[in-house]
Amino acid sequence: VLTQSPSTLSLSPGEGATLSCRASQSIGTYLAWYQQKPGQAPRLLIYDASNRATGIPPRFSGRGSGTDFSLTITRLEPEDFGVYYCQQRGNWPPLTFGGGTRVEI
Amino acid sequence: EVQLVESGGGSEHPGRSLRLSCAASGFSFDDYAMHWVRQVPGKGLEWLSGISWNGNLLGYSDSVKGRFTISRDDAQKSLYLQMNSLRVEDTAMYYCVRDIDPGTCTPSSCGYFDSWGQGVLVTVAS
Repeated sequence: VLTQSPSTLSLSPGEGATLSCRASQSIGTYLAWYQQKPGQAPRLLIYDASNRATGIPPRFSGRGSGTDFSLTITRLEPEDFGVYYCQQRGNWPPLTFGGGTRVEI
Repeated sequence: EVQLVESGGGSEHPGRSLRLSCAASGFSFDDYAMHWVRQVPGKGLEWLSGISWNGNLLGYSDSVKGRFTISRDDAQKSLYLQMNSLRVEDTAMYYCVRDIDPGTCTPSSCGYFDSWGQGVLVTVAS
């Protein structure tokens, strides 16, 4: 089970954001982060805890291992607002997602 | 450019069946594992099933095991999800997704989703 916190972050453009994802058992570094905007499919941001996916800007960074992970967004841009999900592949099937963190203005 | 286009969604009654299709283009479809992920409107994401590049089953979620069947046709560059015994709780947006890793899935590979379709809505109601 992946537990994300907080459920909602209210921030302004230019501020930084740190999102948390905690796994109920160790998953090594087998964790990904996705961003989803309203009406759109999710987009892969980070995989294997800290690797940015193709085309993802460096203001997005991930860290963590074992059971505790975080996604940091430095200097929020207007297009960064949306819902962020973590997802694990450390123990699968099944592949599982966290419940999401909404980053809102 | 990778493109995944789902079709086959719509409204159906509980207990009936639907078959979703996903047409892939812009990449070597037969090199990649593929998956189905769904999302109840306004809720989170749920992985349903995956199939390896060579057609081996990667698994099903408990919520659909025994009712849904994943398959692929590499000649048609298509992924399918046969959904039987539909339930009201199967109402969701269904996404076709590509695995990040080409080739054989191992304990240290596969299981992330780097390309997503736009989704197709399935509504199950009496």
